[in-house]
Order: sequence, then C-alpha cells, then structure tokens
Amino acid sequence: GAVVSQHPSWVICKSGTSVKIECRSLDFQATTMFWYRQFPKQSLMLMATSNEGSKATYEQGVEKDKFLINHASLTLSTLTVTSAHPEDSSFYICSARDRWPAGEQYFGPGTRLTVT
Amino acid sequence: AQSVSQHNHHVILSEAASLELGCNYSYGGTVNLFWYVQYPGQHLQLLLKYFSGDPLVKGIKGFEAEFIKSKFSFNLRKPSVQWSDTAEYFCAVNGYAGNMLTFGGGTRLMVKP
Repeated sequence: GAVVSQHPSWVICKSGTSVKIECRSLDFQATTMFWYRQFPKQSLMLMATSNEGSKATYEQGVEKDKFLINHASLTLSTLTVTSAHPEDSSFYICSARDRWPAGEQYFGPGTRLTVT
Repeated sequence: AQSVSQHNHHVILSEAASLELGCNYSYGGTVNLFWYVQYPGQHLQLLLKYFSGDPLVKGIKGFEAEFIKSKFSFNLRKPSVQWSDTAEYFCAVNGYAGNMLTFGGGTRLMVKP
C-alpha cells in the first residue's frame, strides 16, 4: 500500500521557538494532504487541508498564522508551528490522498511535539 | 456538517469473544465510511472501507462492517477476537462530495489473553 512518512517522529523545543514537521508521500502523488492533531486518549481533530500549489484551508478555531502549512510539491507538505507554547504540545499526524473522489487517506506515523 | 459518534469508549473482552463496535454518523448525503485501527505506538491503518455496493464489507484481519443506511450506522464486527486486536479503533466518514474525513471519538479495545 501507499506509504506516508513524517519527520521528525519526535521533537522537543523551547517555548517561543518554531518547529517544522514534514509529511511526504513516498510512492504516490498526493494532490491533497491533511494535518490532524491528536490529544492524549482523544480522537483526531482535523486542523487543515492542504492542496498542492494553493493555500491551505484551516478548520474553525485553528490559527493559520500559528500553524503554517506549505504544500510545495505533490509529495511534500510541511507544518510549521510558530512561536510554540506548551499548550501546542501534542501528536501531529498528516495524511495524504492520491485521487478523488474515491481515494482513501493514508496516514503518516505522527510527530510528537513537546514544548518546554 | 458531518459528525460521527462511537458509543463505546472502552471495551474489554476475553480472547475468542465476539466483538461489535458501534458507529453512527450524521450526514445528509452519500457517504464514504471507514474504520481505522491504531495499535499501541503505531500509526493509523485502514481496516476496511465502504464506498458503494454490498453493505457488508470485509476488511483485513477478519474484521467486517455493515452499512445500514436507514440507521446511519456502520458497526464493526469480528466473530472471535485475539489478544493482538488490542488497539484503538476509529470510525470515520467522508461526505461523498466533500474533502474532509471526520473521525469518531475512538474505542479503546483491550483483549485479555
């Protein structure tokens, strides 16, 4: 099946710094990528939808200036958490879809962000 | 707007017991339905999906789910669980004309050996 990778898998940063998380589709072209946030023992919450070559669409309540998303190519999307604070600590998961409307989403392994 | 509810938050079963996890969704149009599994320390994996056709869908590892349109349900079943089925299970729905996958709250299954 299709593979989606994320890098890094785990990152610790100091409050006030920025962190970039990469999401790559390894063996297919993803016109659409999704970024989710998962709090401990909770479900995934969609943060934003990213289409290659265009601006991301953010869900209500997600600050687009804080969570910068760039989908520069058909195999790479990045999420940058700017001026991170401890409340941004979470598990961030990306997924990628290869075709629409019947394409399923393939999930990355997630990135655990801890802000100290 | 679409929403998904999973009724059971925690389920504990003994090996060989039968499993049924409930999933109900709210959406006014045609939907695509999914069940995902997240094993401890691993990422989400697709168990099965329903797009159209036979409402009884068979997935990997002996799981199946039945789409009942009149009840807006897509319950997950397995006749005999194994210890290795211990994981968290998520039901998800994607409105056919839409882009967004909405997840239920998840059900944490523990299978006792």
